[in-house]
Amino acid sequence: NAGVTQTPKFQVLKTGQSMTLQCAQDMNHEYMSWYRQDPGMGLRLIHYSVGAGITDQGEVPNGYNVSRSTTEDFPLRLLSAAPSQTSVYFCASSLSVSPSSYNSPLHFGNGTRLTVT
Amino acid sequence: KNEVEQSPQNLTAQEGEFITINCSYSVGISALHWLQQHPGGGIVSLFMLSSGKKKHGRLIATINIQEKHSSLHITASHPRDSAVYICAGYQGGGADGLTFGKGTHLIIQP
Repeated sequence: NAGVTQTPKFQVLKTGQSMTLQCAQDMNHEYMSWYRQDPGMGLRLIHYSVGAGITDQGEVPNGYNVSRSTTEDFPLRLLSAAPSQTSVYFCASSLSVSPSSYNSPLHFGNGTRLTVT
Repeated sequence: KNEVEQSPQNLTAQEGEFITINCSYSVGISALHWLQQHPGGGIVSLFMLSSGKKKHGRLIATINIQEKHSSLHITASHPRDSAVYICAGYQGGGADGLTFGKGTHLIIQP
């Protein structure tokens, strides 16, 4: 059981380049989300999905796009990378649409460290 | 919006000590998560609780919803407990109702 798989682990982009961060889970979880983690700040929600075909914006969605064509995959796209998007990105999933259902803890990927120069 | 404050921000202790990390939130929540982030960066869910106390091995989490406060305790601490501990409060209203604290960086010295 692989859990939540994120790729790549590290990425360096030049300003203006685009790329996709991949996230896949094999636990049949409905809820998937993307967070960014910056020094001195808590995890901040970028986008989330409560099921295939359904996505919504979080706290910091600008500059990012997502899609959820299957239950398993939830890629995050950077359309035109900016230095402000230098961060560590985490994908997470849970069984229920509510991240705080009693038997539904969050499962995190190992993170992607992105540097935009 | 819920504000989540953790204390202390940094904590260094000796192996075997009893550790307490605190989490306070500004508005009412229905549940709270405790997470552990390893030095390598991976994040693991430790507890999710909405009332009372939960225990797993040497870890104990308590919550008082009325007092808007939760604590994470580690008994008989060990260097492998060194990590960043993060609390996150859930206000409800859907997947965007989770607010994370900035984390407590714990170092346990042998």
